[in-house]
Amino acid sequence: GESVGLHLPTLSVQEGDNSIINCAYSNSASDYFIWYKQESGKGPQFIIDIRSNMDKRQGQRVTVLLNKTVKHLSLQIAATQPGDSAVYFCAENINQAGTALIFGKGTTLSVSS
Amino acid sequence: KAGVTQTPRYLIKTRGQQVTLSCSPISGHRSVSWYQQTPGQGLQFLFEYFSETQRNKGNFPGRFSGRQFSNSRSEMNVSTLELGDSALYLCASSPDSMADTQYFGPGTRLTVL
Repeated sequence: GESVGLHLPTLSVQEGDNSIINCAYSNSASDYFIWYKQESGKGPQFIIDIRSNMDKRQGQRVTVLLNKTVKHLSLQIAATQPGDSAVYFCAENINQAGTALIFGKGTTLSVSS
Repeated sequence: KAGVTQTPRYLIKTRGQQVTLSCSPISGHRSVSWYQQTPGQGLQFLFEYFSETQRNKGNFPGRFSGRQFSNSRSEMNVSTLELGDSALYLCASSPDSMADTQYFGPGTRLTVL
């Protein structure tokens, strides 16, 4: 099928630009998706989540898009700031009776000012 | 509310030893999940505890075990340590065991020599 967006291990942007981080998830039965941000030396920090009955969800400066047809998730960060520099992970929940999350490989976002 | 806390933050052990890591969830959270993070394998789910019972288990050998106490605090134990067990061990808590936002602690960095 058509590749909607490729996973890139690194992404470099200028301060003020919009960033788009892509993720392909593995299980069509997954019904809950989360984006986490992990800074060096810290645990993953929750950014935004979306359930499978939605296509889009917006937060503060962030938007998550879900395309179930091609099993693709994206995170859009508006007006990227140096403080956004981190590794970003998407995660899917494939066990509705528990909390087991399956994580993607992660994208390192570098923001230069 | 205080976040998820993990102790110790850093640990150095030698092969063959065993280790116990501790996690205190966010107050009121009853589900605790453990993850292993390595550069090669990324973030992998170990197990989840809810109301002192193991609800989910990932694909790890029996040397990895855990438990949860009545106050929701959790411990994980790794016996007969191997070099490959060197990793960042992350604990996450959520209000209950259904698909819900998980909040991560800072992790315990385990080095096996």
